[in-house]
Amino acid sequence: QQQVKQSPQSLIVQKGGISIINCAYENTAFDYFPWYQQFPGKGPALLIAIRPDVSEKKEGRFTISFNKSAKQFSLHIMDSQPGDSATYFCAAYVGGATNKLIFGTGTLLAVQP
Amino acid sequence: EPEVTQTPSHQVTQMGQEVILRCVPISNHLYFYWYRQILGQKVEFLVSFYNNEISEKSEIFDDQFSVERPDGSNFTLKIRSTKLEDSAMYFCASSTYANQPQHFGDGTRLSIL
Repeated sequence: QQQVKQSPQSLIVQKGGISIINCAYENTAFDYFPWYQQFPGKGPALLIAIRPDVSEKKEGRFTISFNKSAKQFSLHIMDSQPGDSATYFCAAYVGGATNKLIFGTGTLLAVQP
Repeated sequence: EPEVTQTPSHQVTQMGQEVILRCVPISNHLYFYWYRQILGQKVEFLVSFYNNEISEKSEIFDDQFSVERPDGSNFTLKIRSTKLEDSAMYFCASSTYANQPQHFGDGTRLSIL
């Protein structure tokens, strides 16, 4: 119940296309859902995050869509660029009782020029 | 922009030896975390630390592990007697409060021989 399931494992998108990464969770106590971007040899960098009282959040080319009833959330990267090629992790957090992040398994995105 | 810094970037140690990984969290952050990432796998929570105490630890964080904030700026992870399976990237993270975004360092690659 503490897991966050992420798909796909890898994704190839043409430059200018839309990249979509999906995550699902079981624990309804999760109340904060960040996405992290990780380049090789670097730590995860916070990209964008959402709380369950909002159905969508947009920051530049990055959008999180959140479906509370389905317990799913997704990251959309519009106008994907080669510089977006990285591993993307969704995560979930339970406030109050614990302050740890539960990470998904990651999606390796390759944006082809 | 303030960042979490970790040293060393790469540590090679013989099995059974003690190792200390060091982190300097962002200066006004109050919550500190260690995570690890085995090559090709997801990021896993190890421990969270607040007010000079461990607030939560995972099953991975057994008696071989300890954390300390020896002064006002450093946060350390000690592994007393390293095992081959401790080989991983170890990430330090910090946040202002418990349910606020966690910011990660670039990690220490620990290689146990």
